[in-house]
Amino acid sequence: DAGVIQSPRHEVTEMGQEVTLRCKPISGHNSLFWYRQTMMRGLELLIYFNNNVPIDDSGMPEDRFSAKMPNASFSTLKIQPSEPRDSAVYFCASSSRTLTGGSEQFFGPGTRLTVL
Amino acid sequence: SQKIEQNSEALNIQEGKTATLTCNYTNYSPAYLQWYRQDPGRGPVFLLLIRENEKEKRKERLKVTFDTTLKQSLFHITASQPADSATYLCALEEDGQNFVFGPGTRLSVLP
Repeated sequence: DAGVIQSPRHEVTEMGQEVTLRCKPISGHNSLFWYRQTMMRGLELLIYFNNNVPIDDSGMPEDRFSAKMPNASFSTLKIQPSEPRDSAVYFCASSSRTLTGGSEQFFGPGTRLTVL
Repeated sequence: SQKIEQNSEALNIQEGKTATLTCNYTNYSPAYLQWYRQDPGRGPVFLLLIRENEKEKRKERLKVTFDTTLKQSLFHITASQPADSATYLCALEEDGQNFVFGPGTRLSVLP
């Protein structure tokens, strides 16, 4: 298995532009997580899906952020409009997880986003 | 307020010694606690999971303890090697929700 796939690996954009990050989870996994990592705030959970349904989006910073999971093999995280403070590494992770939890997460390589 | 702390931002030890990393939490009731390793420029990699009713878990040179009374987990690497140098993250999970990572400890094993 190729593991969790994220694209692009690096993104540089200007303030105000729309940014779309993509994730392909491991086949057969039923949960998908989006995280953001910065030096100041560490690794923060933004949103997670179980069986393609958003379960908890309380970590999404504000309305500029949105996430979708149209099917079991694809998810997007969109930022519109982007701001310099959104600069971070964004990770996608997947797991075989029940709603009661307790399963390891497999992380992708991350997307390094720079907003100028 | 809720908080997760890991003992120090950085820890240096000599090769062959046992590294002990600490994860303390406040105002959480985790059902599970996990430890991950992260190398520079890469995503975290799962190491061990321990449940609230388990006291200790081992895997090769790794050992994790979980004390829900002290609200603390200890992560040990025995016979440490330079290849163990990385950042180690603890993560709490409360019954399928509220999944939270600690800030991490950067471990350097000196030859």
